[in-house]
Amino acid sequence: DIQMTQSPSSLSASVGDRVTITCRASQSIRSHLNWYQQRPGKAPKLLIYAASNLLDGVPSRFSGSGSGTDFALTISSLQPEDFATYSCQQSFSSPYTFGQGTKLDIK
Amino acid sequence: QVQLVQSGAEVKKPGASVKVSCKVSGKRLNELSIQWVRQAPGKGLEWMGGYDPEDDETIYAQKFQGRVIMTEDTSTDTAYMELNSLRSEDTAIYYCVKISGFSYSYFDYWGQGTLVTVSS
Repeated sequence: DIQMTQSPSSLSASVGDRVTITCRASQSIRSHLNWYQQRPGKAPKLLIYAASNLLDGVPSRFSGSGSGTDFALTISSLQPEDFATYSCQQSFSSPYTFGQGTKLDIK
Repeated sequence: QVQLVQSGAEVKKPGASVKVSCKVSGKRLNELSIQWVRQAPGKGLEWMGGYDPEDDETIYAQKFQGRVIMTEDTSTDTAYMELNSLRSEDTAIYYCVKISGFSYSYFDYWGQGTLVTVSS
């Protein structure tokens, strides 16, 4: 199975900050990497697919980058509604494994 | 607009089985590929399995092989996930999700989740 490791596990930041969350795969997954946002008590929502493609309707302050084994999710200017947990997922091969999640909270 | 609506919360004893349903609307179930993902309390997301349209078969994560059965009723556009021999570690929220994409796959629609609690 492909292991997905996110860092950091948690992050405190302020409104307006720029934050970056990283995700590393245990082997190359080319660009088969997705990012999800999950607010407390809610189902995850897809933000970015294929490493850098923003889903329609997702604000442009979100961006994704990377290929191979190293990936990043960047939020350019945090808004109050962005405080949530973010998870990466590889869809290169089954089982479609997820990272452990990064909890982003207000400083 | 696709919607996935799941059945309600369940409380089960160890050793029992649970069957969670996922009603699809907005498209016919046979136009979609449904997967199942779970999340234990305070833990990350875990893919359990789902329909693979390329091979026209349902595939299961090895961890759940022999204990999970995923089925579909196309007459009612409802997908089901049955998990047997429940143990306390199976306490989790179970999600049905729609997988999309051709060259790159992603989970773009999620059900609201079904909490399954396993407790004696």
